[in-house]
Amino acid sequence: DTGVSQDPRHKITKRGQNVTFRCDPISEHNRLYWYRQTLGQGPEFLTYFQNEAQLEKSRLLSDRFSAERPKGSFSTLEIQRTEQGDSAMYLCASSLAALNTEAFFGQGTRLTVV
Amino acid sequence: AQRVTQPEKLLSVFKGAPVELKCNYSYSGSPELFWYVQYSRQRLQLLLRHISRESIKGFTADLNKGETSFHLKKPFAQEEDSAMYYCALTGYGGSQGNLIFGKGTKLSVKP
Repeated sequence: DTGVSQDPRHKITKRGQNVTFRCDPISEHNRLYWYRQTLGQGPEFLTYFQNEAQLEKSRLLSDRFSAERPKGSFSTLEIQRTEQGDSAMYLCASSLAALNTEAFFGQGTRLTVV
Repeated sequence: AQRVTQPEKLLSVFKGAPVELKCNYSYSGSPELFWYVQYSRQRLQLLLRHISRESIKGFTADLNKGETSFHLKKPFAQEEDSAMYYCALTGYGGSQGNLIFGKGTKLSVKP
């Protein structure tokens, strides 16, 4: 599968623990996006990178959340001091930074905070 | 405010019946509109976008700027069309850098 891959697929953690997710985009894609999807909702934008630069962050991205894309390839999303409200599907997508380009999504990481 | 509204959480039709999934949007500027689909246990994938004006799997969608709508239509639904459908928008040319999604409509096509 040469699409966007995310790891792990599922994560169960205790409240207060830190978690880190990884996203590997399609290799030639220079844009990478993180979204969060809770039950009954559509994906909600969190942040995106163009190459290694983080260009936009949503207000949903509290100071407990941090994302990196150190070499403009894979990205990590870390959540510190997890709360039950962080339980969600975290989706990664990638695209080219060009007009009318399609975003390709990964299968997501499902986080459950207990 | 930039927003996508999909008024129906669930739409159930019989095979062969026409289907229309509604999408209305609010955006200050010229948006690009998309329909994404998620089949059971599969990842979210692009179905179609207004700018390409194409028909995919028999689905079409026309952007109506006057009514700020981008409804998805198919004249004869098939059972394999059963899925979650999300309407989304971004700034023209992808300039906004991110997609704003509606809450989705679950389409169920009964035999």
